[in-house]
Amino acid sequence: QVQLQESGPGLVKPSGTLSLTCAVSGGSISSSNWWSWVRQPPGKGLEWIGEIYHSGSTNYNPSLKSRVTISVDKSKNQFSLKLSSVTAADTAVYYCARVNHEVVSAANYYYGMDVWGQGTTVTVSS
Amino acid sequence: QSALTQPASVSGSPGQSITISCTGTSSDVGGYNYVSWYQQHSGKAPKLMIYDVSNRPSGVSNRFSGSKSGNTASLTISGLQAEDEADYYCSSYTSSSTRVFGTGTKVTVL
Repeated sequence: QVQLQESGPGLVKPSGTLSLTCAVSGGSISSSNWWSWVRQPPGKGLEWIGEIYHSGSTNYNPSLKSRVTISVDKSKNQFSLKLSSVTAADTAVYYCARVNHEVVSAANYYYGMDVWGQGTTVTVSS
Repeated sequence: QSALTQPASVSGSPGQSITISCTGTSSDVGGYNYVSWYQQHSGKAPKLMIYDVSNRPSGVSNRFSGSKSGNTASLTISGLQAEDEADYYCSSYTSSSTRVFGTGTKVTVL
């Protein structure tokens, strides 16, 4: 079955750019699913960051949109997150997740975020 | 976008039923049947428990059920068990083609 694995630096300096990659195994990133990033600050709740389709279409959280870029690399079967101008408030566990989706007769159907990576901790500190 | 509103905590004794509410607006919960629920044990990744308001993924116990009325969705856990103690989050698709999570609910089994 599909598995997701996040990777990237665990420590980022303030004002720098956070960069993470999510490797997809057991399935193709070019399937009909969307691919999401979600984060969770220490002791707090989940926050949706954004998502990407294999075509490159993206949707972002309006509160983060000016700082976020999500991209897809079909040749490597992975997708990535870049968050710029980070501060201590961006310290969190970052998860990648699959949004189960299909298109039937030109209509979109979503079935929840059914596959998650284990998460990776990113700390913003000098 | 504002987080969906959930109670901070809900508790119950083993065998009892509990219900967690998730209140949004007509632009998210009330406007789409794309409400999902996630269980998160401490230090673990979230797990999908309910999708599209009331559907259970394969392998999820039928003790978990979901429903929706207007702008409020609900997750009911029947026959509460010790292993159900965890944090629960709702999520909804929105009219802006984005997704939003709830504030989260800590379930305690007494």
